[in-house]
Amino acid sequence: QKEVEQDPGPLSVPEGAIVSLNCTYSNSAFQYFMWYRQYSRKGPELLMYTYSSGNKEDGRFTAQVDKSSKYISLFIRDSQPSDSATYLCAKGGSSNTGKLIFGQGTTLQVKP
Amino acid sequence: DVKVTQSSRYLVKRTGEKVFLECVQDMDHENMFWYRQDPGLGLRLIYFSYDVKMKEKGDIPEGYSVSREKKERFSLILESASTNQTSMYLCASSLRGEVTGELFFGEGSRLTVL
Repeated sequence: QKEVEQDPGPLSVPEGAIVSLNCTYSNSAFQYFMWYRQYSRKGPELLMYTYSSGNKEDGRFTAQVDKSSKYISLFIRDSQPSDSATYLCAKGGSSNTGKLIFGQGTTLQVKP
Repeated sequence: DVKVTQSSRYLVKRTGEKVFLECVQDMDHENMFWYRQDPGLGLRLIYFSYDVKMKEKGDIPEGYSVSREKKERFSLILESASTNQTSMYLCASSLRGEVTGELFFGEGSRLTVL
């Protein structure tokens, strides 16, 4: 079993829809979590990070961590065609080396 | 702005060739990483380095080696390329000790081995 599991999709939604992207993890050590966004032919870029249970909001994006079920989620409200990308969840492996463990990535397409 | 530059965006090599992938970062980061990205498998860590001349194996180091002679430069070497090493290779860097451990990625090097 991979330490971080993510459904690769693809996921296709109409513009304006609420999108829910999810990951599960198995190792409870070093519990900080990140979401990266990767546009086609580009490297991933950090979108959001959370360091504890609960929600963190940034504009249309909300990151949620449920430690009891080992579940992390990213919600996108009022989705836009410009949100079309691959979304990667990641979990901190070591705060000293900065090593991250990534999920498989979910490809999202938002149709106008 | 942090910039991570990968020297080659697209490479085509033949089986058995030696391949060098170069990565340079300009933000004085201690940590540098090489990942490969394949459909359905996500990003898998090949090697990482947390200081000059230091290196540690990641999850899939077989068939690869690395070199870090200067802080800003981290090279990935395929001693004898094979077709199963056809992939997207991503270099990243980060600041040591930062809790969030944000990785800054280059744009990737797409390698095709024929």
